[in-house]
Amino acid sequence: DAKTTQPNSMESNEEEPVHLPCNHSTISGTDYIHWYRQLPSQGPEYVIHGLTSNVNNRMASLAIAEDRKSSTLILHRATLRDAAVYYCILRALNNAGNMLTFGGGTRLMVKP
Amino acid sequence: DSGVTQTPKHLITATGQRVTLRCSPRSGDLSVYWYQQSLDQGLQFLIHYYNGEERAKGNILERFSAQQFPDLHSELNLSSLELGDSALYFCASSGSFGANVLTFGAGSRLTVL
Repeated sequence: DAKTTQPNSMESNEEEPVHLPCNHSTISGTDYIHWYRQLPSQGPEYVIHGLTSNVNNRMASLAIAEDRKSSTLILHRATLRDAAVYYCILRALNNAGNMLTFGGGTRLMVKP
Repeated sequence: DSGVTQTPKHLITATGQRVTLRCSPRSGDLSVYWYQQSLDQGLQFLIHYYNGEERAKGNILERFSAQQFPDLHSELNLSSLELGDSALYFCASSGSFGANVLTFGAGSRLTVL
């Protein structure tokens, strides 16, 4: 799977929007962009995924650049509960093992 | 509750010992994945089973083995334990082989003294 680059950490104020960036300049045409997060002392949790178009769900929005070399996870209104490590992962459509390869992620800190 | 059940939650044992970690996937999920998370290595993929068959192996040591049983639960066996095996072990499950989303359990924390 292709590599992603994320900032090590970010800070946000409670109730403000958060934009978490991810660069994936070597993405291939069949790579899906997945986001997972890991809250303290818990297992990773699926957030959202997309291929080319922007995606919205109840947790977040995913904005994908036109050339697909970068993407942004948007939390519309951060809460203290959103403090977690956020992982941006590329997953090939033909990934025989179908597993996720985690990088270092971005540690999001939310200030009250 | 994610629907993926891992036992035990915590385990403390000594070097040289053997332990078994158990995972029950979400109802209906055929795939089980095992991951190891230590402080210095992050989340590392160990092994993937689909409907009882091994499908992919990651950085799994020869001292470690796993299997998935006919009822789809899985066990990860860790033997000849070393201090460096202390870590969180996560199990995840997904539905069909090509399904996009993995659902993770709460993990088993192993401490080797």
